[in-house]
Amino acid sequence: DIQMTQSPSSLSASVGDRVTITCQASQDISNYLNWYQQKPGKAPKLLIYDASNLETGVPSRFSGSGSGTDFTFTISSLQPEDIATYYCQQYDNLPVTFGQGTKLEIK
Amino acid sequence: EVQLVESGGGLVKPGGSLRLSCAASGFTFSSYSMNWVRQAPGKGLEWVSSISSSSSYIYYADSVKGRFTISRDNAKNSLYLQMNSLRAEDTAVYYCARDRGGWELPDAFDIWGQGTMVTVSS
Repeated sequence: DIQMTQSPSSLSASVGDRVTITCQASQDISNYLNWYQQKPGKAPKLLIYDASNLETGVPSRFSGSGSGTDFTFTISSLQPEDIATYYCQQYDNLPVTFGQGTKLEIK
Repeated sequence: EVQLVESGGGLVKPGGSLRLSCAASGFTFSSYSMNWVRQAPGKGLEWVSSISSSSSYIYYADSVKGRFTISRDNAKNSLYLQMNSLRAEDTAVYYCARDRGGWELPDAFDIWGQGTMVTVSS
């Protein structure tokens, strides 16, 4: 199975800050990488697909980049409603696997 | 409105069975592959199973292979997960999720249900 390692596991930042989360795959997954946001008690929400494509309706402050084994997810200016846990997910190989999550809190 | 609504969760004893359902609305269900993804309490996301639009391609995580069966009824716009030989480690919220890409293999999950809780305990 392809292991997805996110860092950091948790993060505290202030409103307006630029926030970056990284995701590393245990092998080359090309750009077969998605990012999700999950708020407490809610279902995950797709934000970024194919490493860098913004899902329809998602604010432009969210972005993704990378290919191969190293990927980055960025919030350009943190908003209070962005408090959530973020997951990366690879679909290059079965089984589909997720990172362990990054919990984002407001400082 | 595009929507997925799961049902069928509950409390079941180890070794027991449960059938989850997911009702789809607001989109052409028969055109999309569908998935089950679960989340144990306080834990991360785990993909469970996928089924292609015509049921020709079905995939399972090793952790459920041989115990769980995914199926769908396109006439009823419904997805199912038959869970047998349940174990304590199957305790989780189970989400159904639509596949964004339309391929045989799962890719991005763009629509999710609200989830249904399955608790396996004696």
